[in-house]
Amino acid sequence: QKEVEQNSGPLSVPEGAIASLNCTYSDRGSQSFFWYRQYSGKSPELIMFIYSNGDKEDGRFTAQLNKASQYVSLLIRDSQPSDSATYLCAVDGDYKLSFGAGTTVTVRA
Amino acid sequence: SAVISQKPSRDICQRGTSLTIQCQVDSQVTMMFWYRQQPGQSLTLIATANQGSEATYESGFVIDKFPISRPNLTFSTLTVSNMSPEDSSIYLCSARTSGSLGEQFFGPGTRLTVL
Repeated sequence: QKEVEQNSGPLSVPEGAIASLNCTYSDRGSQSFFWYRQYSGKSPELIMFIYSNGDKEDGRFTAQLNKASQYVSLLIRDSQPSDSATYLCAVDGDYKLSFGAGTTVTVRA
Repeated sequence: SAVISQKPSRDICQRGTSLTIQCQVDSQVTMMFWYRQQPGQSLTLIATANQGSEATYESGFVIDKFPISRPNLTFSTLTVSNMSPEDSSIYLCSARTSGSLGEQFFGPGTRLTVL
C-alpha cells in the first residue's frame, strides 16, 4: 500500500471556525482521493471524494486537490461540536485505498 | 450510495477457533474489500474479494489465515482462522460503487475479541 501522511493532531478549533486538514501522498499515479469521518466506536463515513485538481464543495466541506504537489486537503467551515471526530484521508491506487493515520478534530463549544 | 451490513457485529472467541463474518450490500457493486482496524490505528487492507475467483491478498495476509468468498456481486464472507489474541480487531467490509472513480463505503464493522 502507498504512503499517505496526514497532519498530526489533535486539532482543536472553536465552534464556528474553519478546521483545516492536510494530507500528502507518495504515489503520483493515484487517481482519486477520499475523506472519511470516523466517530469513536463507529466505522468510517464517506464525506467527500475528489479526482480533479482544484476545489470541490459539499455543504460546509471543501476538498482541495493539487496533484502536482501530491497534496489534498479538507476544510470544514463553521465547525460544529458534531464535527468532533477523526478524519481519515485515503488515496486510491490500483482500485485499493491506502489510509493515513487520521487527524482527530475537537470542536470547542 | 451503498448500504452495507455485517454479521456478527461483535464476538468473543476462544484461541484456536475460527469465525466467519458476513457482508451484504444492498446493491450490486463492482468491488468489495476487507479491512482491519486495530485499536487506535488506521485501516489496513486485508484483501480484495473477487467475484467468482480467489481473493487478492495484501502483503502480510494469506488465504489460509483469512479465507474469503464472494459468490455474487452483493455478498462476501471473511473467515478468521485459527485465531490468536493478536487477531483481536475490528474487521470492516467495504464496497466500491463503480470503477476507479466510484465512491467507496464501509460497513459497520465486526468487533472481534480473541481470548
